[in-house]
Amino acid sequence: KAGVTQTPRYLIKTRGQQVTLSCSPISGHRSVSWYQQTPGQGLQFLFEYFSETQRNKGNFPGRFSGRQFSNSRSEMNVSTLELGDSALYLCASSFRRQFSTDTQYFGPGTRLTVL
Amino acid sequence: DAKTTQPTSMDCAEGRAANLPCNHSTISGNEYVYWYRQIHSQGPQYIIHGLKNNETNEMASLIITEDRKSSTLILPHATLRDTAVYYCIVRETSGSRLTFGEGTQLTVNP
Repeated sequence: KAGVTQTPRYLIKTRGQQVTLSCSPISGHRSVSWYQQTPGQGLQFLFEYFSETQRNKGNFPGRFSGRQFSNSRSEMNVSTLELGDSALYLCASSFRRQFSTDTQYFGPGTRLTVL
Repeated sequence: DAKTTQPTSMDCAEGRAANLPCNHSTISGNEYVYWYRQIHSQGPQYIIHGLKNNETNEMASLIITEDRKSSTLILPHATLRDTAVYYCIVRETSGSRLTFGEGTQLTVNP
């Protein structure tokens, strides 16, 4: 079974631009979560999408947004990029079963560099 | 989610068992212990999880103390490819958010 895929793997943008990252979950998984990893803050939760609805949100400004499509694929968007947005953006998928543990499996990440 | 405490770094000789400790003294009854590892600049890799019983899979064993306030991840025969940052995470059954701490940098030496 194919794992979580993320595109693109590497991206270079300039301040003020916007960027869209894509995530395809493991087949059958309906939940997609996004995380940001920086050297200073470590791995931080951005948000989770399930059934095309945002279910949970981390402590990030409104410039960070996302969406999920009917096939469970997800995109995240960062508008008005700042230098501090340079990070590894990770996507994780899971079944999101109720009343049960729900292991998240991570993709390889997208390395975003803001110049 | 309950907070966890892990040593910052550990070393292990290739072929020997690596025992990575984790303290989670404020863990609640419905919270699971999860372990992930991250090799430099790659996505975190799921290793194992458990509630109160010891667990074993093809990658590792997880030993949880009876009071559930601490656990140990055991890699039975460490190889150079096991060099990574290992994260111990405590999460609720239905929680979707993983809260990562600093983790333990395990270095396996030849």
